[in-house]
Amino acid sequence: NAGVTQTPKFRVLKTGQSMTLLCAQDMNHEYMYWYRQDPGMGLRLIHYSVGEGTTAKGEVPDGYNVSRLKKQNFLLGLESAAPSQTSVYFCATSRDRGPVTGELFFGEGSRLTVL
Amino acid sequence: GQQVMQIPQYQHVQEGEDFTTYCNSSTTLSNIQWYKQRPGGHPVFLIQLVKSGEVKKQKRLTFQFGEAKKNSSLHITATQTTDVGTYFCAGPMEYGNKLVFGAGTILRVKS
Repeated sequence: NAGVTQTPKFRVLKTGQSMTLLCAQDMNHEYMYWYRQDPGMGLRLIHYSVGEGTTAKGEVPDGYNVSRLKKQNFLLGLESAAPSQTSVYFCATSRDRGPVTGELFFGEGSRLTVL
Repeated sequence: GQQVMQIPQYQHVQEGEDFTTYCNSSTTLSNIQWYKQRPGGHPVFLIQLVKSGEVKKQKRLTFQFGEAKKNSSLHITATQTTDVGTYFCAGPMEYGNKLVFGAGTILRVKS
């Protein structure tokens, strides 16, 4: 089993370009998340999904859109990339465990540079 | 908004020395999780604490959850070079199954 797979792993964009990051999981988990990691700021939640067909905003959603058309896939889109979106993006999944948050399983990350 | 603060930001220790990182929340947490991220890698789950005053051990690592469930600590005894990386604590955000992470503590070990 691959677990959580992110594509692409590296990408360089010019300001204003668009792109989509794909997260695929084979663990049949209900919850999926997109985080960004910047030096000194830890991991910040962008958007998340509690199941197929659902999405919700996290801490820093502006400039991003997401879709969860299939349970195993969670897409993160940048419609018009900005240099401030240069970051490492991590996808994560968890089982639904009710009021106690389940552990997160992370992908290997996608490093995005916006020039 | 809800915040999870972690100190220190960075620590450089001699191999064999102990290391502790502290996590403080602005609100009471139902549970807290700890993750480790090796340089260039992705965060990996270490442990989850749920009960007030809970203490759990994993070999040389000791995790504590405060009595008021607003703070936590991770202590590593006799650090080794394999301990290098960034240690994150994370607690659930208000309303729902989402985690908010501390900024992390970067640990470097000199051999």
